[in-house]
Amino acid sequence: QQQVKQSPQSLIVQKGGIPIINCAYENTAFDYFPWYQQFPGKGPALLIAIRPDVSEKKEGRFTISFNKSAKQFSLHIMDSQPGDSATYFCAASKRYGGSQGNLIFGKGTKLSVKP
Amino acid sequence: NAGVTQTPKFRILKIGQSMTLQCTQDMNHNYMYWYRQDPGMGLKLIYYSVGAGITDKGEVPNGYNVSRSTTEDFPLRLELAAPSQTSVYFCASSASGVSNSPLHFGNGTRLTVT
Repeated sequence: QQQVKQSPQSLIVQKGGIPIINCAYENTAFDYFPWYQQFPGKGPALLIAIRPDVSEKKEGRFTISFNKSAKQFSLHIMDSQPGDSATYFCAASKRYGGSQGNLIFGKGTKLSVKP
Repeated sequence: NAGVTQTPKFRILKIGQSMTLQCTQDMNHNYMYWYRQDPGMGLKLIYYSVGAGITDKGEVPNGYNVSRSTTEDFPLRLELAAPSQTSVYFCASSASGVSNSPLHFGNGTRLTVT
């Protein structure tokens, strides 16, 4: 119930393509779903996040789609660029879990955007 | 504004040796965390702290110890290094424990135990 399953493990797209990364969770108590972006040699950084009371959130070229009934959420990157090449982690937590110790990460997706 | 600073960046240890990974933050965050990242395995929480003098175990605490004597510093101690502790270690901080308080990560320490 504590797992967040992320797929695919790796993804290669051409510049301008729309990579999609999917995540699924089991614990219905989760109510906050962030995505973190990690460049080589750096720590992860918060990219975008969503709560289950909305089905979609956009920030620039990044969009989260959320399906509460299916317990799934996904990240779409519009007009992808080589600079988007990074590892992306989805995560889930309970809003008042007491600490971010309740943040559960997926295993990550390594995205490569070819010029 | 430096954010979260980790030292060293790289370290090679022999089996059985000890070391301390340093982490300091200048954002006056109460919450601090240690994660380990293994290839294809995501981020696993080792220990966390909700304020000076308070620490608690995460998902994978065995073989590690922490202390939090100040708000700024949260060192991670490996007492008897084992090959299974070969990993990249990330320290992070957040302003609060509410879920939408983002984690701010350092750039990691790559540790090899041989």
